[in-house]
Amino acid sequence: AQTVTQSQPEMSVQEAETVTLSCTYDTSESDYYLFWYKQPPSRQMILVIRQEAYKQQNATENRFSVNFQKAAKSFSLKISDSQLGDAAMYFCAYRTPLSGNTPLVFGKGTRLSVIA
Amino acid sequence: DAGVIQSPRHEVTEMGQEVTLRCKPISGHNSLFWYRQTMMRGLELLIYFNNNVPIDDSGMPEDRFSAKMPNASFSTLKIQPSEPRDSAVYFCASSLGLAGDTQYFGPGTRLTVL
Repeated sequence: AQTVTQSQPEMSVQEAETVTLSCTYDTSESDYYLFWYKQPPSRQMILVIRQEAYKQQNATENRFSVNFQKAAKSFSLKISDSQLGDAAMYFCAYRTPLSGNTPLVFGKGTRLSVIA
Repeated sequence: DAGVIQSPRHEVTEMGQEVTLRCKPISGHNSLFWYRQTMMRGLELLIYFNNNVPIDDSGMPEDRFSAKMPNASFSTLKIQPSEPRDSAVYFCASSLGLAGDTQYFGPGTRLTVL
């Protein structure tokens, strides 16, 4: 079974600075998808960024980017120019590309605090 | 689009009572997922449907939990009888049904069983 590990329960960053959240996963498959979701205090789960394992290029969405290292099974999230609104729980998630649709496997999350 | 709709947003009940959580997926989405979030176990899958058919219910804790999807626009998750350890946030998510596509989450239902 696939597992996702987020080794940093909590992180903090100064406003306008850069922070990197770590995620590793375990799988025997060669093709899969990886996601970062944000959960603010409202508890709404919001997709931040996604990465297809077959793509070597790291995904980028505005201030958010990933460092995808397939051989190392590592998928870290970098937040640049951190803003107060970035404060939230961040979940790394894995998904296999089987035919039809498949569920997400989540890490335990990292709580990010942004200091003004 | 209204997004995934869940009701109620909050539910407080007493042990032994029946609880029904409801979900309306995004129109046109073929897959629906029920997840549960607790401090101890994090986010875990309970059950998911493709084209209204249950595919994997191995995450359902026990026979007290049941889920149905009578049509493409509605699903329920029922707990009968409820127990204090069922207290959690229950999320419904939907997606188009293509491999690897994005799952969109509802706002969740916070269930408290006293």
